[in-house]
Amino acid sequence: GAGVSQSPSNKVTEKGKDVELRCDPISGHTALYWYRQSLGQGLEFLIYFQGNSAPDKSGLPSDRFSAERTGGSVSTLTIQRTQQEDSAVYLCASSLLAGGQIGTQYFGPGTRLLVL
Amino acid sequence: ILNVEQSPQSLHVQEGDSTNFTCSFPSSNFYALHWYRWETAKSPEALFVMTLNGDEKKKGRISATLNTKEGYSYLYIKGSQPEDSATYLCAFPLPYSSASKIIFGSGTRLSIRP
Repeated sequence: GAGVSQSPSNKVTEKGKDVELRCDPISGHTALYWYRQSLGQGLEFLIYFQGNSAPDKSGLPSDRFSAERTGGSVSTLTIQRTQQEDSAVYLCASSLLAGGQIGTQYFGPGTRLLVL
Repeated sequence: ILNVEQSPQSLHVQEGDSTNFTCSFPSSNFYALHWYRWETAKSPEALFVMTLNGDEKKKGRISATLNTKEGYSYLYIKGSQPEDSATYLCAFPLPYSSASKIIFGSGTRLSIRP
């Protein structure tokens, strides 16, 4: 079956512009995560969606970042007024819950964002 | 503050040698520990999910052990090959009541010299 897909795979934008990144999780996976990896850094948690519950936004670095998940499936991460420090690889992952806990995460290929 | 630590940060190993590295995690409220391999220009890929104290899991030349009482897991690679070059991440899922986050370590970057 299809894995997690993300689009676009690469995005170059100018400072101050808005960007939208899309994630299509594995069908049936109720949990969806956004992470980013800045150059030379590890995985940084951004936001988590679980079913119809309110998302955990505790990792979003500023109010320029927002995300939504429509119909419990596709998610969009929006970055407004992009800054150069937003340049990173943005990864999406989905998983099932197993016994109320997070199961194995399946990652998408990522979107490489470059803000000039 | 819950912390997941991995050591060493990077490792250079000669092809054919065996190696191992460590993930340390909180020993209280343990549910599971995940290991992922992250190759350059690819997405992280799950290696193991470990749940029981004393667990040992194996996948080819890679194996992992788990000690939940002292809060550590070792990943072993036997007879390293160039294709083993990657960053190895461990991840600790928080209990469901804690907003169901999963905390990743910063990874061990492994380079295999041919």
